[in-house]
Amino acid sequence: NAGVTQTPKFQVLKTGQSMTLQCAQDMNHEYMSWYRQDPGMGLRLIHYSVGAGITDQGEVPNGYNVSRSTTEDFPLRLLSAAPSQTSVYFCASSPLQGGETQYFGPGTRLLVL
Amino acid sequence: SQQGEEDPQALSIQEGENATMNCSYKTSINNLQWYRQNSGRGLVHLILIRSNEREKHSGRLRVTLDTSKKSSSLLITASRAADTASYFCATGPQGAQKLVFGQGTRLTINP
Repeated sequence: NAGVTQTPKFQVLKTGQSMTLQCAQDMNHEYMSWYRQDPGMGLRLIHYSVGAGITDQGEVPNGYNVSRSTTEDFPLRLLSAAPSQTSVYFCASSPLQGGETQYFGPGTRLLVL
Repeated sequence: SQQGEEDPQALSIQEGENATMNCSYKTSINNLQWYRQNSGRGLVHLILIRSNEREKHSGRLRVTLDTSKKSSSLLITASRAADTASYFCATGPQGAQKLVFGQGTRLTINP
């Protein structure tokens, strides 16, 4: 199993551009989530999904959209990038509920100029 | 705001010594977890302790949980250079489909 994969690994955007961060898992996990990590800080939850067709907002959802059309994929869309969205983004999945053990991808480092 | 607060923010010890990190949280939880993050990498799950447990071991790791004080500690015994990483506590709040992470402790093991 590849586990949780994320693409791209690194991306540079200009303010106002849009893009989609890809996340996929091959473990048949129902729960998936997106976090952002800023320097010297822990992870903050952006959006999560408890199954295909179901998504909900986390702690910092503004400026981001998600959808979950399949169990495997959970893309994160930046609608109009802002410098404040410069961060490292992690996708995670869990075979149980969201409050249980999560398995993380390697991250996408995003720089917004 | 983040629920977990970790102490210390940074810890530097000699190889072979024990490392202790602490985590405090604010609300009722189902469980508390510890994760490790090596520089530039994703988080790796280390250990989970449930709210009705007081202590748990996994190899060189020992985790304690005191729900009356809303606090937990992670002890790494006989530290190795490979233990150099950031360590995060995360709580699974009751009734919530999420984990809430602390800010982490940056551990450096000096050879």
